[in-house]
Amino acid sequence: GAVVSQHPSWVICKSGTSVKIECRSLDFQATTMFWYRQFPKQSLMLMATSNEGSKATYEQGVEKDKFLINHASLTLSTLTVTSAHPEDSSFYICSADLGQGSTDTQYFGPGTRLTVL
Amino acid sequence: QKEVEQNSGPLSVPEGAIASLNCTYSDRVSQSFFWYRQYSGKSPELIMSIYSNGDKEDGRFTAQLNKASQYVSLLIRDSQPSDSATYLCAVYTGGFKTIFGAGTRLFVKA
Repeated sequence: GAVVSQHPSWVICKSGTSVKIECRSLDFQATTMFWYRQFPKQSLMLMATSNEGSKATYEQGVEKDKFLINHASLTLSTLTVTSAHPEDSSFYICSADLGQGSTDTQYFGPGTRLTVL
Repeated sequence: QKEVEQNSGPLSVPEGAIASLNCTYSDRVSQSFFWYRQYSGKSPELIMSIYSNGDKEDGRFTAQLNKASQYVSLLIRDSQPSDSATYLCAVYTGGFKTIFGAGTRLFVKA
């Protein structure tokens, strides 16, 4: 149980284009999903917290107009990187929590590796 | 600012030995504590969770929590080369907020 999928697993795009990444909880409903970015040999960096049916909460320094997050249902959140540039190349990982009150456990998707040429 | 601190390593242990990974946290009211394993190029995988003081064992893994001292540890018995990875300590501080440590790299030498 607690399986999270991401699609695509990798994507290569040209500078200036937009890329959409999907995150799905397959066997549970996730009220809250999280989006992280990780550069090589660096730690996880939380980008935003996404709650179903409401606007995402972005971490300081993350551009909300560049990284559009939509949490349309209890099993799907999407991250769109708009007008991507080479510096946006990174490993993007989503997670979903089971929302079991105070124990909130996050389960991670397999990640999406984005390369912007 | 709430923090979770881990020694970045690398921690190198021989095959069959016990690997001991430590983590300290700053927020006293934290209730939930997690250890994740992350292989190079992969996403984190949950391996242990602990909520009460003391030890929790799961196979070769034992998590230890001491809320008074604000530290969490993970012991890996009979370490295998396949255990070589980065181990992330995570602390749920409430309000949809989980703080992750930067991780400790573990190398198990065959």
